[in-house]
Formats: sequence, C-alpha cells, structure tokens
Amino acid sequence: GQNIDQPTEMTATEGAIVQINCTYQTSGFNGLFWYQQHAGEAPTFLSYNVLDGLEEKGRFSSFLSRSKGYSYLLLKELQMKDSASYLCAVRDRDTDKLIFGTGTRLQVFP
Amino acid sequence: DSGVTQTPKHLITATGQRVTLRCSPRSGDLSVYWYQQSLDQGLQFLIQYYNGEERAKGNILERFSAQQFPDLHSELNLSSLELGDSALYFCASSAPGVAGANVLTFGAGSRLTVL
Repeated sequence: GQNIDQPTEMTATEGAIVQINCTYQTSGFNGLFWYQQHAGEAPTFLSYNVLDGLEEKGRFSSFLSRSKGYSYLLLKELQMKDSASYLCAVRDRDTDKLIFGTGTRLQVFP
Repeated sequence: DSGVTQTPKHLITATGQRVTLRCSPRSGDLSVYWYQQSLDQGLQFLIQYYNGEERAKGNILERFSAQQFPDLHSELNLSSLELGDSALYFCASSAPGVAGANVLTFGAGSRLTVL
C-alpha cells in the first residue's frame, strides 16, 4: 500500500519562499506529482519527478529523493494567488493511478 | 477548460436515493479515474477504468458502482445515499501508454449534497 504525509497547513508572506515537504512509503513507485487545488476547484498539475533531483518550472521547483521517500515543492516570489492547497501524489507502478496525500493548505499574507 | 467534462456540477438529494454522475474524458484519453473529496479531506481514489475495463479499485463502497462505455465516457452510480456521501466527486483522465509524466487531468467535479 501507500502512505503519504505532508503538513496540514502553512503560512507565508507575499514575496517570500516556502517549501512544502512530502514523505511517502509505497510498494511500487512510478513517479511523484504535485498538484495545486484552489478551494472547490479541480486540482491542476504543477510538477512531476521520477528521478532524483530538482525539477524547475518558473517560480515552482520540485525535488525528489527516492532512497529517502521524500519530496518537496518550493514556491518562490509568493503571490496572493498562490494561496491554495498543494497535493503530493505518488503514482502506482502497475496501474498509473495516483494516490494523494491529504494536502497542505498554504495561506499567503500581504 | 481542462477537456474533462463532468455533469451535473451540483446535485442535491435525500438519504436513500440513487444518483448517477457522468464524465467525458479528454479526447484521446483511454483511462478514467474517479476520486471522492469530502470537506477538508484529501482526494480518495475510488476506481479506474482503461478502455472500458476496470483496472484498479480503491476504497469504493459496495453501494457505489461505475462503468466505462465504448465511447469512453464513464458513469459513477451512488445508491442508498447517506449523509456522509456528501462530497466533491472528481473524474480525471489520462492518455494511454504515455512514457514520462502521463499527467492526470481533472474535471471540475460534481458536488453532491445529501440531505
């Protein structure tokens, strides 16, 4: 089975940098995803890691360490619109289904 | 617009009733996934279909059933509804056999309220 842990809530200031951590245990790993979800809306894809290291995409970066079962999402130059939940998800090797963590609710203050 | 269409957007019904939620995947996507998200909860995987066949099952209750039709649209049937079934139900789709990310694209969801 899979177990995914991430902090429930985080706060940060506009313009700052925030790092959201995710740890996972899985029987069959085939990639780690980060999604953003605004309240009441659909999750939208942010990033994907399957090999160890850092993937950078604009203001967002994601890191993966498979040996440690650890990932983080780094958000730079925070904007008010970044206030949302950030969902860490692990893809099952056999079926491609995504198993999600409970999400981290980020609040950005002016 | 993500390309994944879900209907209805909102549904209010009573306990004991039965409802059907519908999902049309993005053009070309063969896999459909159903997720349930209760208030302040994470996305719970219910079931996955690939090209009409059930591929994976999650924590789906026996009162719930789903299928994927030859035109690849999918329906999630929820019966003997209970108050606790009130949630957002998301459908997602993905492309077949794509190497790399094979990103799941989500629909806007169907919000079910059971009174």
